Amino acid sequence: GAVVSQHPSRVICKSGTSVKIECRSLDFQATTMFWYRQFPKQSLMLMATSNEGSKATYEQGVEKDKFLINHASLTLSTLTVTSAHPEDSSFYICSARDPRQGNYGYTFGSGTRLTVV
Amino acid sequence: GDSVTQMEGPVTLSEEAFLTINCTYTATGYPSLFWYVQYPGEGLQLLLKATKADDKGSNKGFEATYRKETTSFHLEKGSVQVSDSAVYFCALSATNAGKSTFGDGTTLTVKP
Repeated sequence: GAVVSQHPSRVICKSGTSVKIECRSLDFQATTMFWYRQFPKQSLMLMATSNEGSKATYEQGVEKDKFLINHASLTLSTLTVTSAHPEDSSFYICSARDPRQGNYGYTFGSGTRLTVV
Repeated sequence: GDSVTQMEGPVTLSEEAFLTINCTYTATGYPSLFWYVQYPGEGLQLLLKATKADDKGSNKGFEATYRKETTSFHLEKGSVQVSDSAVYFCALSATNAGKSTFGDGTTLTVKP
């Protein structure tokens, strides 16, 4: 089945630094990937749609200069949290569509727990 | 806009009890509906899905039927196990563009 790998699974960084999170589709090519954010004990909120070879589409209220998304290849999208602050601490999850599974074959990564201290 | 409403948790059951987690939605058009499960510290796993009215999704003993008339997609399992303890999310996707709208999640704890 489709596998989406996220790295790192956990990261702790100091306030003011930047952190990069990778999302890879291991056995399929994904022209589109999605980045979600999950606050403790809350649901997932879509942050942005990552499109291979073009700019990401951000949801309303998401700062594109703070959450930089790059989708440089068909198997890799990266989310960079720039100048991180404690309020950016959250669980970030990506998903990608496996075209072999039809229009709704979305696979989620295992998530990245970001803690900003 | 689209929205998903799940029954509030947490839900605590004894092993072998019957499980129902209610989910209702509002959406334009004809969305596809999903149930995801999240184990502690992990990402989401697709549990089951239904893409059109009256479809029944099923997996690992869990079932949910797409009810267009009541805009519902309730999750059921006849006999839960301790290993079913997790957070369950109901979600919809109104287009094939991949944007999913999630409910708030329901935490299930199954006690032996």
